[in-house]
Amino acid sequence: GENVEQHPSTLSVQEGDSAVIKCTYSDSASNYFPWYKQELGKRPQLIIDIRSNVGEKKDQRIAVTLNKTAKHFSLHITETQPEDSAVYFCAASGAGGSEKLVFGKGTKLTVNP
Amino acid sequence: KAGVTQTPRYLIKTRGQQVTLSCSPISGHRSVSWYQQTPGQGLQFLFEYFSETQRNKGNFPGRFSGRQFSNSRSEMNVSTLELGDSALYLCASSFGQGMEETQYFGPGTRLLVL
Repeated sequence: GENVEQHPSTLSVQEGDSAVIKCTYSDSASNYFPWYKQELGKRPQLIIDIRSNVGEKKDQRIAVTLNKTAKHFSLHITETQPEDSAVYFCAASGAGGSEKLVFGKGTKLTVNP
Repeated sequence: KAGVTQTPRYLIKTRGQQVTLSCSPISGHRSVSWYQQTPGQGLQFLFEYFSETQRNKGNFPGRFSGRQFSNSRSEMNVSTLELGDSALYLCASSFGQGMEETQYFGPGTRLLVL
């Protein structure tokens, strides 16, 4: 089945800096890659997603890039703010009949004022 | 539109008991997926229900089961609870268009097994 690796597990940046989180996946049949943000005690919230027919997608300060050949995708957050502090999860779609989404272990991002 | 809701929000049970959790999807969504979140294993997919049928299944033992009703609401049941079942159980709803669709999570039910 699909396996998703996420790095780093923790990331600390200064306010205004950029943050990059990287994920790799194993199943070349995966075609959907969402990113979720989870604040302490809250539900995971979708922040951006990308499908395999697109190499890059941007939404204001957030961007995701996808390299299907290398089987990796990355989240880029520019001009970070303290409210960006949270745990970020990447995920990849699974094969039909098995896991709908396979998640990475998460990255705890801390933005220091 | 109202978001995904889950009840109860917190539960305390003892080993050997069983528990039933409930999830109401976003209006118009016909798919409900269930996930277990623990500090050690992260977010793991349990199963997905669509049109009252289990469509996808993760790698959990048969003690974990679910069902979906005609109004798309879903329940998850865990029988013979073990200490390791302590976790946040999240459900997520979607339109039901397949593996590549956006899922929206509920607030979760935090289960503590003593």
